[in-house]
Order: sequence, then C-alpha cells, then structure tokens
Amino acid sequence: EVQLQESGPGLVKPSQSLSLTCSVTGYSITSNYWGWIRKFPGNKMEWMGYISYSGSTSYNPSLKSRISITRDTSKNQFFLQLNSVTTEDTATYYCARWGYTTDYYYYFDYWGQGVMVTVSS
Amino acid sequence: DIQMTQTPSSMPASLGERVTISCRASQGISNYLNWYQQKPDGTIKPLIYYTSNLQSGVPSRFSGSGSGTDYSLTISSLEPEDFAMYYCQQYDSSPWTFGGGTKLELK
Repeated sequence: EVQLQESGPGLVKPSQSLSLTCSVTGYSITSNYWGWIRKFPGNKMEWMGYISYSGSTSYNPSLKSRISITRDTSKNQFFLQLNSVTTEDTATYYCARWGYTTDYYYYFDYWGQGVMVTVSS
Repeated sequence: DIQMTQTPSSMPASLGERVTISCRASQGISNYLNWYQQKPDGTIKPLIYYTSNLQSGVPSRFSGSGSGTDYSLTISSLEPEDFAMYYCQQYDSSPWTFGGGTKLELK
C-alpha cells in the first residue's frame, strides 16, 4: 500500500525557511508525480507544486520565487522548502501522489496525514 | 488562474438526506474536476475523479456530474461518516485550484 508521511518543525519564525519532508513507502517516487498542498485556517486549500518521476518540477506561480521541491530517491523522500515565510504561511501542509488511471485521468490518490506549521515569532 | 466557487460553504443536513454540493469554474474545465473528502482528523481521500468516476472503495451513494463550468457532488443518503469537509479541484490548467470547501454538518 502506498503511504506518505510528512515531517518537519511545527513552528517557524517569520523570514526564515520552512522545510518539510515527505517519506513515501510502498511505491517509488521515480514513478508518477508528487505534490505539496496546504490548507489554511479558514479552509482554503492551495496546490503548491510537484516534482515528477524524472525530477522536474512545477510550482504555483504565487509561490514561484520562494518555493523549492527536491527529492532523494535513495531514501524515497521528497522535500518542500519555502523561503521568507510570513504568518500567512501558517497552514497544514500535505504531501500527496498525483496518480492516474488506465484512462489517464489524474487526481491526488494518496495523501499524507498532514503536518501543521505555525509561523510565529 | 481558474477560480473555483464552491457552494454552499456549510450545509446542515440529516441522516438519510440527499445532498448536493456545487462547484463552478471561472472558465470551462473540460470535466477535469476531482472531489475530495477531508475528515475531522485531517485525513483526506479522493472520492470522484474526472467529474463522475467513483474512486475504488468509495460507496455508491456518492456520485458526480457536470460539464463546462458547472459540476456537482451528490450524496444520495447521508451516513454518519459522511459529515466532513468536501473540496472540488480542477486540473484543466495550471495552477491547479481548489474550491473553498463545503462543511457538511449534522442538523
């Protein structure tokens, strides 16, 4: 079974960088696409970006100057780094697999349980 | 960016009731529309993909429909475990965007 688990600090100071790890078991990250999504207090959800099976990335333009998604295939992990955070980056962060069916319909089919990150001094 | 307007934002409902959640895109999205459920413990799972396809393991009381800019998720008869948050998500064009969510509450 595919499982994803986020980890990282729950508290980050403003202007610092937020770094999270998504550990994947049951499936290789050298297949499919792997994304980060966050849910803000108040329920808004935002797709942040993904890293592909080949290591290419795509980011939400709203974050493009601050975000980086990388991976370590030897550990089957991928990472989120968000720079220059503000209180508005306080959210629950999820990693998820962007999977597809035999008919090439795409959706986030496996999700981590989420990690809450608070940006505060 | 394509804006996804989801209505209602909250919905009190009773066990056994039929409910429908709507999602309107700011432009046509060619059925590239998925639905997700978030439980109170934060776990998220897919329900419907490509407008009307039921994810494996999801009960048949869930269904999706729509075209163009207008899409909907229907639950035919509410069960206790269905009281949760629901989100639509488009992937017709990047950046992929989500609706604002609908909280289904017990009346």
